[in-house]
Amino acid sequence: GNSVTQMEGPVTLSEEAFLTINCTYTATGYPSLFWYVQYPGEGLQLLLKATKADDKGSNKGFEATYRKETTSFHLEKGSVQVSDSAVYFCALSGDSNYQLIWGAGTKLIIKP
Amino acid sequence: EAQVTQNPRYLITVTGKKLTVTCSQNMNHEYMSWYRQDPGLGLRQIYYSMNVEVTDKGDVPEGYKVSRKEKRNFPLILESPSPNQTSLYFCASRLVGSAYNEQFFGPGTRLTVL
Repeated sequence: GNSVTQMEGPVTLSEEAFLTINCTYTATGYPSLFWYVQYPGEGLQLLLKATKADDKGSNKGFEATYRKETTSFHLEKGSVQVSDSAVYFCALSGDSNYQLIWGAGTKLIIKP
Repeated sequence: EAQVTQNPRYLITVTGKKLTVTCSQNMNHEYMSWYRQDPGLGLRQIYYSMNVEVTDKGDVPEGYKVSRKEKRNFPLILESPSPNQTSLYFCASRLVGSAYNEQFFGPGTRLTVL
């Protein structure tokens, strides 16, 4: 069945550092891919998404490229801020029931 | 404002005492879903509904019930809660028609069962 694997956290970085959070997936067909973010004490918000191979999703300085050949959707940001501290979830959607399959989440801690 | 609301936000209860967590959306979405979030496990789907009077089990439905009598509401019912149902619960909704459509999430309900 479909699955998503994310790098384990927490990931701790200094402000202005480069960020990569790895996400790989297993799926049949052509899933859509998502990154959601959960700020402390809040619900989940869509950060970015991509629907087909080589698509790049971007938002708030974050980017992720849908790589079918490596079945990956890594999240990147060139210069992180303290306000980016949150838990980041990679997810895919490919079935007819619209179920989202989630990674375990990666906690990101940015220190000033 | 387009949103998904959940109530209560926090709940502490005891084993066996029936409870209901309400979920409501104002976006006329056909699809609604309940998830539980546990450390290291991400989100796991409990139940989902494709439309009024249409519900189906997700990955972890045991111990839960749902109903979808109106399009906007999708309550989660725990008939006899147990401590292993202590978790953070999220309701979500979306339009059907494309796997690309975003799911909108409620703020979460933190449930503790003693």
